[in-house]
Amino acid sequence: AAGVIQSPRHLIKEKRETATLKCYPIPRHDTVYWYQQGPGQDPQFLISFYEKMQSDKGSIPDRFSAQQFSDYHSELNMSSLELGDSALYFCASSPDRSTDTQYFGPGTRLTVL
Amino acid sequence: GENVEQHPSTLSVQEGDSAVIKCTYSDSASNYFPWYKQELGKGPQLIIDIRSNVGEKKDQRIAVTLNKTAKHFSLHITETQPEDSAVYFCAASLMNTGFQKLVFGTGTRLLVSP
Repeated sequence: AAGVIQSPRHLIKEKRETATLKCYPIPRHDTVYWYQQGPGQDPQFLISFYEKMQSDKGSIPDRFSAQQFSDYHSELNMSSLELGDSALYFCASSPDRSTDTQYFGPGTRLTVL
Repeated sequence: GENVEQHPSTLSVQEGDSAVIKCTYSDSASNYFPWYKQELGKGPQLIIDIRSNVGEKKDQRIAVTLNKTAKHFSLHITETQPEDSAVYFCAASLMNTGFQKLVFGTGTRLLVSP
């Protein structure tokens, strides 16, 4: 079965640079969630989208922004990168907003030097 | 907001033994409780979930129990195998509200020795 696709899988950036992470949900899933997982920590919710509209927001820095496109893929844009942004970034998708089950992608490992 | 506590942080068992991981949550309105298994370098994989209208659910060697009154839920793995070794996360969320972000516990590193 098709799973959530994330790209790139690994990304290395310098401080103050910009990064864009992409998420392609499972086909026919219209709800996307972004999570950040620091080393040895649990995933922390950043932001979610339903039908191309932001539906909920967590502890996402103002330097980060995200959107969902007409084909339901989502992009997380991160500017003025800091060392502390180094983490695994996961995208999860659900069939719709009323469905509780979230399926996670393999993640993007961002390293900020 | 919701807060989820998870214990133990590490658990070592012998192959064939049972493993139990416990979580407590703070928001009595939470109504959906999934468990995820995360292997090194991979994304969390849903292994079982339970909703607040059910007290217990079983899937082969894995079972989850929920006590709404005490606000705690547990994962039970029987006949553990080395391939069960991973980090396990419990989570809680509010279903059917449009705000179904998952709040995770801090994780349990399970090591199953042959």
